[in-house]
Amino acid sequence: DAGVIQSPRHEVTEMGQEVTLRCKPISGHDYLFWYRQTMMRGLELLIYFNNNVPIDDSGMPEDRFSAKMPNASFSTLKIQPSEPRDSAVYFCASSPQGPHEQYFGPGTRLTVT
Amino acid sequence: AQKVTQAQTEISVVEKEDVTLDCVYETRDTTYYLFWYKQPPSGELVFLIRRNSFDEQNEISGRYSWNFQKSTSSFNFTITASQVVDSAVYFCALSGSSGSARQLTFGSGTQLTVLP
Repeated sequence: DAGVIQSPRHEVTEMGQEVTLRCKPISGHDYLFWYRQTMMRGLELLIYFNNNVPIDDSGMPEDRFSAKMPNASFSTLKIQPSEPRDSAVYFCASSPQGPHEQYFGPGTRLTVT
Repeated sequence: AQKVTQAQTEISVVEKEDVTLDCVYETRDTTYYLFWYKQPPSGELVFLIRRNSFDEQNEISGRYSWNFQKSTSSFNFTITASQVVDSAVYFCALSGSSGSARQLTFGSGTQLTVLP
């Protein structure tokens, strides 16, 4: 079975540019999560969806960040405009209904110069 | 509020030694779930185990074992006869049953280095 798929794996962009990260969850999973990992702050939950509906976006750092899930098999996390402090590894994860573990994608390493 | 504490930032052992990674948690929920994840140098996060708060039975999987004690709010992870491939950052995590129950609260991680 395919796991969570994220693209791109690496992204280098200049400050001020728009960045779009993509995620395809595991088929049949109802929950999708976006996390950010940095050395300073560790793993932070940014937002999560249940059946394509955003449930909790309290972790989204500011209005420059937005996330969408137009269907059950695709989600995007957009940063516009990007800043150097956004440099981090962004993980997408999915899980099925019930108190199940989350399965993580390989992550996107974002570098904003 | 939920909290997970992994007091050991870094641990270094020699191959074949046993090593225990500590995890202490705080939650007000009576039903909750505990997890361990492994993050090898390649960067992905690999799920290892889930434990429910109502099941305190310890679990063993090969060289891995987990000791869950509600009385001390701990969920420790032991690797027996460690191997170089066990070198990774290990995260303990907690999810509850109230509020944003699906959220995983992660500890800060323990960097384990197994030397040959």
